[in-house]
Amino acid sequence: DADVTQTPRNRITKTGKRIMLECSQTKGHDRMYWYRQDPGLGLQLIYYSFDVKDINKGEISDGYSVSRQAQAKFSLSLESAIPNQTALYFCATSDLNTDTQYFGPGTRLTVL
Amino acid sequence: GNSVTQMEGPVTLSEEAFLTINCTYTATGYPSLFWYVQYPGEGLQLLLKATKADDKGSNKGFEATYRKETTSFHLEKGSVQVSDSAVYFCALSDLPSGTYKYIFGTGTRLKVLA
Repeated sequence: DADVTQTPRNRITKTGKRIMLECSQTKGHDRMYWYRQDPGLGLQLIYYSFDVKDINKGEISDGYSVSRQAQAKFSLSLESAIPNQTALYFCATSDLNTDTQYFGPGTRLTVL
Repeated sequence: GNSVTQMEGPVTLSEEAFLTINCTYTATGYPSLFWYVQYPGEGLQLLLKATKADDKGSNKGFEATYRKETTSFHLEKGSVQVSDSAVYFCALSDLPSGTYKYIFGTGTRLKVLA
């Protein structure tokens, strides 16, 4: 089984809809991240969390919110989706000891 | 602030050719440096890393050396295969300074032709 899972893998929605992307991990890491990937822009950090009570904004948090329901679960919400939020979204965890990130398979979101 | 710059792609090579993908960084502390690889339809996965100056990371025939004097971490492979076709990301983390964030380059797409 994959260590970092994301649901859904693909989603098409309409402008103005509320969308939630979910991430679960079995690696036991405290640190979790949400990134957005756009062609030619690499990965941009949306939010990150170092534990259940510690959530921080990244570079591009406007229009997004997150919830850390447990050590293993970190959800990303788009309160009112807009077309320029069409992108590939990745969840990741990090191991403090090895300073390595582990990525989920990604969610491809299309906002019409 | 911290940043990573890597060469733009796509890079197209024939099988068994030599590969170099350039990466330079700007950092105020003493970052760890990474190369991640993204195969089609998948998330990123760690390819190799180096945690201090002059360290060489290596994996699957790929190598990169942490050069503090030139602030570089170029990825090399002596003989590429079709299966190496992917997008490669250079990244740094500045954990020792307390920033606790990772900075990724924009990615370089590699296509290897048989």
